[in-house]
Amino acid sequence: ILNVEQSPQSLHVQEGDSTNFTCSFPSSNFYALHWYRWETAKSPEALFVMTLNGDEKKKGRISATLNTKEGYSYLYIKGSQPEDSATYLCAAILTGGGNKLTFGTGTQLKVEL
Amino acid sequence: SAVISQKPSRDICQRGTSLTIQCQVDSQVTMMFWYRQQPGQSLTLIATANQGSEATYESGFVIDKFPISRPNLTFSTLTVSNMSPEDSSIYLCSVESPWGVSYNEQFFGPGTRLTVL
Repeated sequence: ILNVEQSPQSLHVQEGDSTNFTCSFPSSNFYALHWYRWETAKSPEALFVMTLNGDEKKKGRISATLNTKEGYSYLYIKGSQPEDSATYLCAAILTGGGNKLTFGTGTQLKVEL
Repeated sequence: SAVISQKPSRDICQRGTSLTIQCQVDSQVTMMFWYRQQPGQSLTLIATANQGSEATYESGFVIDKFPISRPNLTFSTLTVSNMSPEDSSIYLCSVESPWGVSYNEQFFGPGTRLTVL
């Protein structure tokens, strides 16, 4: 059974704050990790796909790192804005798992003025 | 990215009835996926639908409860049958990147929010 855990479950920050949250996954048989951003009433939007230990990806003010040896990924948001308010989901794929995405429960971010 | 629409966007249904959710993609794709997210839970894969073959269901999901159609490369339906309040969830369809990119990158529809009374 593949368990993907995310923390914290929810987060309230002030506009301008930088924040980060964690996705942890089993390190054995790791294949790939996805990050998605899901705003209410919209489609989940793909942010990053990461595969290599030490990977760092960046998209505007959002960046992510990957540690496959210890089984975690961090997502960072620099200078949070109200439009960053969303649920951030990570999903892992293991080798031999049929290429399926297994999602965490998400981190719900609220950025307040 | 692929553009995916779902109908209905939300519905409130009575226990014992069935609801069919439609998923339309703006490009031809081989594989389509159906997920649900129950309150407080993670997105969970229900089944994978390939055009021209029976859907493949994940453990805990059965065809009698969640029949799926896939009549062509741009459309699929998921029916939630004989509903109970436990079926209250957001149901999403998704497709693999149609450009054969990497690592099962998926594009999602906006979801159908179902409440069963």
